[in-house]
Amino acid sequence: QVQLVQSGAEVKEPGSSVKVFCRASGGAFNSFSITWVRQAPGQGFEWMGGVIPMFGTTKYAQKFQGRITITADESTSTAYMELSSLKSEDTATYYCASDGAGLDPWGQGTLVTVSS
Amino acid sequence: DIQMTQSPSSLSASVGDRVTITCRASQGIKSFLNWYQQKPGKAPRLLIYAASSLQTGVSSRFSGSGSGTDFTLTISSLQPEDFATYYCQHSYSIFPITFGQGTRLDIK
Repeated sequence: QVQLVQSGAEVKEPGSSVKVFCRASGGAFNSFSITWVRQAPGQGFEWMGGVIPMFGTTKYAQKFQGRITITADESTSTAYMELSSLKSEDTATYYCASDGAGLDPWGQGTLVTVSS
Repeated sequence: DIQMTQSPSSLSASVGDRVTITCRASQGIKSFLNWYQQKPGKAPRLLIYAASSLQTGVSSRFSGSGSGTDFTLTISSLQPEDFATYYCQHSYSIFPITFGQGTRLDIK
């Protein structure tokens, strides 16, 4: 059964970048797409973008265009989400999830705190 | 983009109650609708996919119905572990996807 493990919590200064990884184990990485969503404290979910590793296809939410990059490395079964020009409003928990019949499984989440 | 609207935004109920949460899509999405449960500090858990299919390992007291624009999640007999926040999400397109704003279910 596929499991997704994400990198640990980060504290970043405004204007900097963060790169979060999502490593899959127990299943064929290139047989599904990986979606990234975030959840600000006490809020709902916001779709950020996704990647289909098999095809190298990516798509980003309009809101993040120009400052998000999602990649996938099939050799290590790892997906990456990099967000640049961080602002305080980017403080959130970032999740990756496998997108098959619904989003399942999910990574455990990575808390990114943007603060000076 | 397709907008998802859940109601109610919060709900108080007692153990043993039957509870229904609704989700409406801004356009028809056939049966491409999923439901999740989230507890504080945890990642969401998929409950229902394709509007009415129960995810493996999920209790049969959860059920989903609907197609097109209107969907429901029903919990037949609330258990203490069911008090959480519930979200719907459409999967009509691979990208982008959108979620409902969530329904917080509290103990009365």
